[in-house]
Amino acid sequence: DVKVTQSSRYLVKRTGEKVFLECVQDMDHENMFWYRQDPGLGLRLIYFSYDVKMKEKGDIPEGYSVSREKKERFSLILESASTNQTSMYLCASSLFETTLNEKLFFGSGTQLSVL
Amino acid sequence: AQSVTQPDIHITVSEGASLELRCNYSYGATPYLFWYVQSPGQGLQLLLKYFSGDTLVQGIKGFEAEFKRSQSSFNLRKPSVHWSDAAEYFCAVGRNTGNQFYFGTGTSLTVIP
Repeated sequence: DVKVTQSSRYLVKRTGEKVFLECVQDMDHENMFWYRQDPGLGLRLIYFSYDVKMKEKGDIPEGYSVSREKKERFSLILESASTNQTSMYLCASSLFETTLNEKLFFGSGTQLSVL
Repeated sequence: AQSVTQPDIHITVSEGASLELRCNYSYGATPYLFWYVQSPGQGLQLLLKYFSGDTLVQGIKGFEAEFKRSQSSFNLRKPSVHWSDAAEYFCAVGRNTGNQFYFGTGTSLTVIP
């Protein structure tokens, strides 16, 4: 089974801190994604990556950046955390295919609180 | 623009009762449709998907969904709900560029004994 591991389940940070959320997948997937999940808003795509050192903005990239130096690892970076970035962050991965019937494999999520 | 609507924010059913969760989509072509479930404290898990063929698709855990093009719907059903089905359910549609998805806002299911 594919395993997507997010390094922290809960994280508490202060406003202005630089925050790193780490995600590792063990199935050699090309695609990796970062979503944030908020009540009433569902999942919204922040950034995604099709390959090492490649990244694309999703729907809500403002205030975030990403890094993919190795195929298995995709990091989400909050350069200067703000209270409105308090949220559940979900990492996902998938195989690279041009068709759209490939499912996503999700990590368990990181609940980030910014105080 | 593509979008997914889940009109029910929260549903409560009794254990053993039938369940239907609604999903409507907006898409210009034949959509790729998915249902995911998120148990408390967990990531999302794929229940089932539709991309062509038979419009009634079977998934894991006894769930099924029916694609109705005329109604732009992809409703999830289960004939008899178990207490372990209490979770959040997300409908999603595949986007037309790359392996990306639009997710609905989710429906939270409570199962009472």
